Amino acid sequence: DTVLTQSPALAVSLGQRVTISCRASKSVSTYMHWYQQKSGQQPKLLIYSASNLESGVPSRFSGSGSGTDFTLTIDPVEADDIANYYCQQSNELYTFGAGTKLELK
Amino acid sequence: EVQLQESGPGLVKPSQSLSLTCSVTGYSITSNYWGWIRKFPGNKMEWMGYISYSGSTSYNPSLKSRISITRDTSKNQFFLQLNSVTTEDTATYYCARYPNNYYWYFDFWGPGTMVTVSS
Repeated sequence: DTVLTQSPALAVSLGQRVTISCRASKSVSTYMHWYQQKSGQQPKLLIYSASNLESGVPSRFSGSGSGTDFTLTIDPVEADDIANYYCQQSNELYTFGAGTKLELK
Repeated sequence: EVQLQESGPGLVKPSQSLSLTCSVTGYSITSNYWGWIRKFPGNKMEWMGYISYSGSTSYNPSLKSRISITRDTSKNQFFLQLNSVTTEDTATYYCARYPNNYYWYFDFWGPGTMVTVSS
């Protein structure tokens, strides 16, 4: 299995830039996707194929990376962005990271 | 707009089978691929399997002996059956759509249904 590693939590201030990382245990090319999940809701697709912004997602979200190292950037962070963020790879079956909880400082 | 809705028992006894339905509106399940994903307490997420527009299936090898995904195209529904459940199968279960068969991500999700396995 391809294991995806994310930092468990990040503390941010509103208006700041934040980067959330996801590292794959082996190369996944650009088959990496990002989701936002708020408490009690289903995951919401933000970024697909490493850097493509899903329709309707605000442009303050962006993604980058290839191979094993990927980042999701939010700039600037708004109050509505406080949530959990998951990466998912689809190069070898489908696995998810454990999620990064974005918290306010 | 595409909408998915999971339904099924919220409580299942150990050793029994878990059966869930995903009802899809706004899009035909005879197009695209449709998957099941679960999220365990503690937030780990696991892909369980999918059914294609043609009815073919693919399953997570870790579940392959216990899982079955089927569909009813007349009702635009697809189903999950997981046999011989244990407390380890307690999770929130989601159905979701793959928008294409190239990059394999999920663009529409149901709200999820929580299933507890307990005697």
